[in-house]
Amino acid sequence: AQSVTQLGSHVSVSEGALVLLRCNYSSSVPPYLFWYVQYPNQGLQLLLKYTSAATLVKGINGFEAEFKKSETSFHLTKPSAHMSDAAEYFCAVSRKAAGNKLTFGGGTRVLVKP
Amino acid sequence: GAVVSQHPSRVICKSGTSVKIECRSLDFQATTMFWYRQFPKQSLMLMATSNEGSKATYEQGVEKDKFLINHASLTLSTLTVTSAHPEDSSFYICSASSPENTEAFFGQGTRLTVV
Repeated sequence: AQSVTQLGSHVSVSEGALVLLRCNYSSSVPPYLFWYVQYPNQGLQLLLKYTSAATLVKGINGFEAEFKKSETSFHLTKPSAHMSDAAEYFCAVSRKAAGNKLTFGGGTRVLVKP
Repeated sequence: GAVVSQHPSRVICKSGTSVKIECRSLDFQATTMFWYRQFPKQSLMLMATSNEGSKATYEQGVEKDKFLINHASLTLSTLTVTSAHPEDSSFYICSASSPENTEAFFGQGTRLTVV
């Protein structure tokens, strides 16, 4: 079985400050890991994904994440927050053998203060 | 990335009626489609997995007679909420995948309100 834990259901950052969203996973097999962003009443937009290639993954909108097997973590960062980064962020894990069925973390809502 | 279209984006229906939600993969053949449900301010919970041409596999606790899933072609899956009740009001999201992809692609979601 797989599971994902996102530490902190809410994160508040100042515009221009570092954004750090934490994600830890549990998987019995090498995982695929994803970060998605969701704006109100919209679907999910993929920010980035790890599929067993480079451990430091760069995504869209200036986000990146590092896969650390020893820590079973896949934290998401962005050096400088923009107002447009205010949204809900979901970390998810899947197994290729499972046909890309995703297990999601509980989500982290990001508030950006001017 | 690949495009998945979900329709309608919003629907309001009366208690006791049924409503159908469509999920289409526009530019690839989706051998597998997933249906998720999201309650307000909560995460996505997988309801069922459907493979083209076969019966859907439902997650524990999901009523298969209430949430009918059909995946009759490689580009279309439908979710029908039968005899809807207000507690079925939620945001429903589909995703589509194929063996050559390392990810599933999401539709825009459907906001269902049962009155």
